[in-house]
Amino acid sequence: NAGVTQTPKFRILKIGQSMTLQCAQDMNHNYMYWYRQDPGMGLKLIYYSVGAGITDKGEVPNGYNVSRSTTEDFPLRLELAAPSQTSVYFCASTVNRVETQYFGPGTRLLVL
Amino acid sequence: KQEVTQIPAALSVPEGENLVLNCSFTDSAIYNLQWFRQDPGKGLTSLLLIQSSQREQTSGRLNASLDKSSGRSTLYIAASQPGDSATYLCAGALGSARQLTFGSGTQLTVLP
Repeated sequence: NAGVTQTPKFRILKIGQSMTLQCAQDMNHNYMYWYRQDPGMGLKLIYYSVGAGITDKGEVPNGYNVSRSTTEDFPLRLELAAPSQTSVYFCASTVNRVETQYFGPGTRLLVL
Repeated sequence: KQEVTQIPAALSVPEGENLVLNCSFTDSAIYNLQWFRQDPGKGLTSLLLIQSSQREQTSGRLNASLDKSSGRSTLYIAASQPGDSATYLCAGALGSARQLTFGSGTQLTVLP
C-alpha cells in the first residue's frame, strides 16, 4: 500500500487565494491529523479527526478548515491565503490511540 | 498547555561515538512519548514509541527512556554512523485523540 499521500508537493499562492491540500491514506486508519512546520521549528497541530464526519481543532486552526467525508481522505482548506501560512504541511494517520502516527511527505506552501 | 523542549538544538559528533539526545515536557499526563527522525525535505519516520506505563524501548542501536515524574525522555544512539545524520524530534501525546506536541528537534551530524 502507498501509506499516507499528499498533493501537491509544492505550491505558490498569492495573498487572498484559496486552495485545498489533499491527504489520503490506504491503511484504513481512523485517526488523521494535519500539522504545519515552520523553518527550524517542530510541528504544530492544525486539525485532527477521529473518524469520518468527526473533526476538531488543534493548536493553530485559524485560517484553515477541514472535512472528513470518508475514512481515506482528510483535505485541508485555506480560504484566504496569508504570508503567515507559508510553511510545510504534513498529514499523518494512525489506526488507534496506542500506535504511532504515520506521516506523509509534506506539502511546501509559499504565500506571496 | 504542553510544552516540549529539546536540547541541544544541534550536535556534531565523530563516527562511532555514543550519544544522548534530550527531551523535556511540562505536562506529565502524557499518554506516550514518541521519537521521530526527519531527513532534509522529507516527512517524519517513527523511531520509538514509549507508552506512559513503560520506562524504555529499544530498537537496534536506539534506546529511548521515559521518566514522567521528572518530565524527561532521552534517546540514546550507540555507535553512531554518518547515516544517522538527521533531525530528531520528540513528541508527547495528550488528549482523547493522542494529539502530539512536538519539540523543535535536535539536528545531528555524524562526521566520518
